This record gives sequence, C-alpha cells and structure tokens, in this order.
Amino acid sequence: EIVMTQTPLSSPVTVGQPASISCWSSQSLLHSDGNTYLTWLQQRPGQPPRLLIYKVSNRFSGVPDRFSGSGAGTDFTLKISRVEAEDVGVYYCMQGTQFPYTFGQGTKLEIK
Amino acid sequence: QVQLVQSGGGVVQPGRSLRLSCAASGFPFSNYVMHWVRQAPGKGLEWVGVISPDGRNTIYGDSVQGRFTISRENSRNTLYLQMNGLRTEDTAMYYCAAAIFDDWGQGTLVVVSS
Repeated sequence: EIVMTQTPLSSPVTVGQPASISCWSSQSLLHSDGNTYLTWLQQRPGQPPRLLIYKVSNRFSGVPDRFSGSGAGTDFTLKISRVEAEDVGVYYCMQGTQFPYTFGQGTKLEIK
Repeated sequence: QVQLVQSGGGVVQPGRSLRLSCAASGFPFSNYVMHWVRQAPGKGLEWVGVISPDGRNTIYGDSVQGRFTISRENSRNTLYLQMNGLRTEDTAMYYCAAAIFDDWGQGTLVVVSS
C-alpha cells in the first residue's frame, strides 16, 4: 500500500497571504500509462469533500485560480496564492495510481 | 446538474448488515466508475472500494475486503454498498463519489454499536 504523508498537519494563515501544503508518497505515483494520479481535495466543515486538483496540476472546473498543484514522482505541493476566509477546511492529497487508493492525513487550514 | 443522493444509513449492532444506496442523476452513470469513501468521526478519509462502469469488476480496501460488496444497477442509476459483519470500527460517514472524485454524495452516517 502506498503511504501518503502531508505536512503541515495544521496551517494558520492570514487572509490574503499564501499557503502551501506538501504531500509525499512512499512510492512513485507515475503510472504505467504515463499519468500521475495525485489528487487534492478540500473538505469544508460539515461538508463532503470537493475536488480541487487532479493529475497533479489540473484545476477542476469552477476551482479558483488561486489554487495550484505541482510536483512529480513522490513529492507534491498544493499552493494557495492568497488565502480567503472561505478556504478554511481540511485539505487531503490522494493517490489513485495503485490500489488501494490512499489519502494523506489531512491538513487543517485555519485563519489567524 | 450532477447529483448523488445517498440513503440507507443508521444504527446497527455489531455483526449485523446494512445496505447503503447512492442514486445518481445528471450524468451518464453507466459510463463511469464509482467509489465509496468513508470517514470515521473526527478522522481522515479512507477509500473503501471501486466498481467498474459495467459492474463486473470491484476492488476493495483491506479493512473491508470479504465483508463489504459494491454493486450497481445501471438501469436505475444507483450504486450500492452492502456491508456485512459490521464492526464498531466501521462507524463512519460513508460517501459515494464518481469517477475522478469530481462529484460526491452528501454522505450517510453508519453507527455500529450494541
């Protein structure tokens, strides 16, 4: 099973400031089909998760462009260029390269 | 628009069974893989399993393998999760999710307790 590790686990950020979340996988997420199936999800309090980024850097429809994803192999990053109050929640990375799919522990984004 | 409406949660005793449903609309359900994901109270997300578009193939996480069964009825645009031999550690909010996790159900709570 691929283990996903996120840091930090908690991130207090001032509105308007940038935020960054790192995610590491215990094995390369490069699939034999040439794609890297690393996904970022946001879960606001009391809500189901919401897709932000798929295949490392592809922003899903309707996701603000202040969210961006990058990385390759085993190291990945989610960046928020300017945090807004509505960004409060828990962010998860997830790998879909190998079964069973696995999630990171989650990073709680809070507003200072 | 895409909707995934879940039903079937509740309180059940250890060892008993429960079936969850996820009714889909707004997209060609029979063309897409579907997933179940769960979240224990106050914890992170755990992938439960996946089913192929035609329903012939399923893969499960280790913690539910042999106890849970995912199925689908494409004629009814509905996904199911049959949970047998429930344990207290199966207590969680259960979500259905489509394809690349681009759409999620609202979640249904399963509590396993004597």
